[in-house]
Amino acid sequence: AQSVTQLDSQVPVFEEAPVELRCNYSSSVSVYLFWYVQYPNQGLQLLLKYLSGSTLVKGINGFEAEFNKSQTSFHLRKPSVHISDTAEYFCAVSEGNTDKLIFGTGTRLQVFP
Amino acid sequence: GAGVSQSPRYKVAKRGQDVALRCDPISGHVSLFWYQQALGQGPEFLTYFQNEAQLDKSGLPSDRFFAERPEGSVSTLKIQRTQQEDSAVYLCASSPPQGAFGGYTFGSGTRLTVV
Repeated sequence: AQSVTQLDSQVPVFEEAPVELRCNYSSSVSVYLFWYVQYPNQGLQLLLKYLSGSTLVKGINGFEAEFNKSQTSFHLRKPSVHISDTAEYFCAVSEGNTDKLIFGTGTRLQVFP
Repeated sequence: GAGVSQSPRYKVAKRGQDVALRCDPISGHVSLFWYQQALGQGPEFLTYFQNEAQLDKSGLPSDRFFAERPEGSVSTLKIQRTQQEDSAVYLCASSPPQGAFGGYTFGSGTRLTVV
């Protein structure tokens, strides 16, 4: 069965510093990978997705992620964070041709001035 | 509409009460999903519709949970005889006919509190 592990439950960082949110997955078949952001009392918003092709994926709000098949990872990065990036970030995976998503437990990014 | 609309935003139910949660997907979106998000957790899949057909209900936790989408647009998630462990945010999402490969649009959710 596929699963997603987000290694850090909370990541505190100062404004304008770089950040990496880690995500590892387990699956025996080809996967599609996603990062979603959830602001307080809101639904999830898609940041970026990897379906195929280039392993470096660029998303909205200056975020990017790199798919590493050998390490089964899909870490999210941003070179310089803003206060407004404070939110919960979820990594997710879907297998093959199914649209059902399996989510990680989330990482709370807290950006301090 | 412009986005996925869910109502009510908040629902408090007494244990044993039945509740109904509504989802209005984006117009023209064929696929509709329900997820349950417990406090401090990631969303967990409940069920999936393509038009009016419920293609996957493997995530429904018990037979107290029932979902329908009779005309292929609005969907209702019904929970009978609510219990405290049903307290969670219930998220609805929809995607267009060509599929979204997981990148579908979520609503803001309904926060259910069972007391």
